[in-house]
Parts: sequence; C-alpha cells; structure tokens
Amino acid sequence: NAGVTQTPKFQVLKTGQSMTLQCAQDMNHNSMYWYRQDPGMGLRLIYYSASEGTTDKGEVPNGYNVSRLNKREFSLRLESAAPSQTSVYFCASSEEILRTDTQYFGPGTRLTVL
Amino acid sequence: QQQVKQSPQSLIVQKGGISIINCAYENTAFDYFPWYQQFPGKGPALLIAIRPDVSEKKEGRFTISFNKSAKQFSLHIMDSQPGDSATYFCAAGKAAGNKLTFGGGTRVLVKP
Repeated sequence: NAGVTQTPKFQVLKTGQSMTLQCAQDMNHNSMYWYRQDPGMGLRLIYYSASEGTTDKGEVPNGYNVSRLNKREFSLRLESAAPSQTSVYFCASSEEILRTDTQYFGPGTRLTVL
Repeated sequence: QQQVKQSPQSLIVQKGGISIINCAYENTAFDYFPWYQQFPGKGPALLIAIRPDVSEKKEGRFTISFNKSAKQFSLHIMDSQPGDSATYFCAAGKAAGNKLTFGGGTRVLVKP
C-alpha cells in the first residue's frame, strides 16, 4: 500500500516552459488536493477534486490547471512556468470532502523555475 | 491574507522540555482544528485534531488546548524528544467541504 505517490521528486524549469506534476493514490479515496508550500506561508490550496469528474479552485489557482484523470490520479499542469511558481508541491487525498477526514499527503515535488 | 496565524516560526527546546506552538484564527465559521507534523523531505501527516466543543484534547505527549472566545488554539509537546524535531502546522476547517486553511508552520528542534 503505497499511499499517495508523486512524480517527479525534483524538477528545474526555465521560465515559459510547461510541465505536469503527477499524483496517484491507492487508498480508494474520493477527494484529492494540490497544495504548494512556501517558507512562512504554510500550505496553500491550489485546486481540489471532491470526487472523480469534478475539480474546483482553491486559494491560489492562477497559473495552474488540473485534471482528475480517474479516481486514482490527479495531475497539476503549469502551462507557462514563472519564477513565482518555485515551490514544493504536495498532493493529498482524503476519503471524502469532509473537513474532519484526514488528508494523506504525498512526499512532494520540489520545483525550481529559473 | 493569512486567516490562521501561527507562532513562533521556530523553536529550540531541550530534551525533556515542553514545546508550545500557538495559533490564532479570525473566521468564526471554523469548527475543526487539526495539527499536522512534517519531517524533512516528507509530506505532512495528521498528528492530532480538536473540535470546538471541547477545550482540551490529549494524545500521548501531545495536547491541544482550545480557547473559543479568544479564537486561539495551541499545541503542547510534553517531554520533548529529539524525534519530535519537525515542522508543525496548525490548520482550520469549516463545515463546507474539506478546504483546510493552514498556518505558516513552526520548525521545532529538540536538542539532546
């Protein structure tokens, strides 16, 4: 049982390049999330998916797009990377979209945009 | 605009001492307050959580204290151990959905 997995672990991009961060969970969870973590800012929600086929914006969605490919997979795409998107990105999942449901986090992707 | 303010940003405590991390929130609609623990290179993991109908919750060496009138809650780590060295995040959630708002994090270092 791998839990939540993310690829890649590290990535360096040049300004304007695009990339997709992949996330998969094997816990049969309905809800999935993408966060970014910046020093002193905690974790900020980018997008979330309450269930397969639905996605919604979080606190900081600008510059990102998401796809809930199926129940297991939730990808985050940067169409034209900017230095302000340098961050550590975490994917998480929970059984349901209830605030009391524990969110399980992946190991993160460290992204640097030059 | 950070709706959940966490302090201090970092904390050094001797082994066996007490670590105290404080969080304050503004939105009275918040009614669920979890704490997450993150070790270097790992994702956060749920440590302990509290609902506002109780003023304190204890799990082992970890205790959450909650003050609804002051809109504050805190994490106490009793008998701190080097293995507790990590970053701790408080968070708050409200009835609509599972969109948690996180505090800025506190890096705790427990010296042996």
